[in-house]
Amino acid sequence: DQQVKQNSPSLSVQEGRISILNCDYTNSMFDYFLWYKKYPAEGPTFLISISSIKDKNEDGRFTVFLNKSAKHLSLHIVPSQPGDSAVYFCAATLGQGGSEKLVFGKGTKLTVNP
Amino acid sequence: DTEVTQTPKHLVMGMTNKKSLKCEQHMGHRAMYWYKQKAKKPPELMFVYSYEKLSINESVPSRFSPECPNSSLLNLHLHALQPEDSALYLCASSQDRGFWEDQPQHFGDGTRLSIL
Repeated sequence: DQQVKQNSPSLSVQEGRISILNCDYTNSMFDYFLWYKKYPAEGPTFLISISSIKDKNEDGRFTVFLNKSAKHLSLHIVPSQPGDSAVYFCAATLGQGGSEKLVFGKGTKLTVNP
Repeated sequence: DTEVTQTPKHLVMGMTNKKSLKCEQHMGHRAMYWYKQKAKKPPELMFVYSYEKLSINESVPSRFSPECPNSSLLNLHLHALQPEDSALYLCASSQDRGFWEDQPQHFGDGTRLSIL
């Protein structure tokens, strides 16, 4: 039973445009949501996170939106750059004092075309 | 440039071999993790160490034996593995147990393990 779902295995966008990566979850107890980026032959790299008490968190070109009622979050990358091409994993965890377990989605492969 | 270093990067072993994977971090993190990632699948948690003590074992078979000799080092001892154990093994570390905003888990680049 997948608690974190990324239903789009791949996404292709033009350089300079917006990339929107989506993630759905089923466990309403998740407190934090994270996005990791993974290049081939490298480990996942932390990108941005959001607490369940917020609906938006922004860091430079990256913005994560959380819709708790819909159990949905999205990562916006604006403007997209070719170096953003990677696999993006959505992950969720219980908060402080809770589980150390990061539950990952299956990932979305983003390709940014020059 | 990863701050969590895993060796070796690649390992091929037979089902009767004994080998070890090594993970090292010098960020002063007190929690360390082993994950297993199969092709086209997300990473799945195997073990969590907190302050050098095993705190979570996700029902991993005993042919995988973790060890945390000190706060900077995490090993995964392998014995009598099966072909289905072939995967990418990722190590991660974090400041402490759990997730505190702005203190996420940092991952190494992994060891790609092939069982013949």
